[in-house]
Amino acid sequence: GQQLNQSPQSMFIQEGEDVSMNCTSSSIFNTWLWYKQDPGEGPVLLIALYKAGELTSNGRLTAQFGITRKDSFLNISASIPSDVGIYFCAGRTFGNEKLTFGTGTRLTIIP
Amino acid sequence: ETGVTQTPRHLVMGMTNKKSLKCEQHLGHNAMYWYKQSAKKPLELMFVYSLEERVENNSVPSRFSPECPNSSHLFLHLHTLQPEDSALYLCASSQEVGNNEQFFGPGTRLTVL
Repeated sequence: GQQLNQSPQSMFIQEGEDVSMNCTSSSIFNTWLWYKQDPGEGPVLLIALYKAGELTSNGRLTAQFGITRKDSFLNISASIPSDVGIYFCAGRTFGNEKLTFGTGTRLTIIP
Repeated sequence: ETGVTQTPRHLVMGMTNKKSLKCEQHLGHNAMYWYKQSAKKPLELMFVYSLEERVENNSVPSRFSPECPNSSHLFLHLHTLQPEDSALYLCASSQEVGNNEQFFGPGTRLTVL
C-alpha cells in the first residue's frame, strides 16, 4: 500500500520563527491534506490541495502540492504558542477512496 | 468544535469486559469512519460506513464490532480486548465516502489492562 514519509518527526523552535515540514510518497497522489492535532483532541483540517503546483494559504499557514504529485509542504510563518501540536499530512491516490496518513511532525515552541 | 462528538473521552477496561464507544455527528454527513491512533504510527483506518452500510473493513479483529444505526451515529463495541489494543480511537465523518474533507471527533483514549 501507499506510504507517506513525513519529516521532520519533531521540531523545537522559538516563538516567532518560521517552520517548514514536508511529506513524500512513493505513489502519485491527487489530493493532499494537512491536519493539526492538539493534545487530547482529534485532528483538525488545516488546508486541502487538489492540483499539482497549487499553493494555498490559511492565515500564517501555507501549503503546496508538489509538481511531481509525490510530495507536499507546509510552512508556518511567525510561530506562536498555539501552533504547538502534531501536524499530519494525508493524501489520496487516483481511484482510491481511503486517506493515507503520515506519522506526524511534533512541533514544540521553546520559551 | 468540529461537529463530531465522542463518548466516553477516556475508558479503562479489563480484558474480559465489554464496552462500547459512541460517536455522533451533527454535520448531516453520509459517511462515518473509525480510526485507531497508536503512538508513533500513522492513523489506521478500521471501518467505513456509508448511509449505515459498512463499505470497508480493514482486517480488523472480530473483538471490535461496529454498528451504525443511522447516518448520525456510530458505535464500536469492544469485547475481550488485548493490552495492545490500547490507543486513541477516533471517529470521523465526511459528506460522502471518498469526499476529501473528513472531520474528526476528539477521540476516546482506551486503556486495556
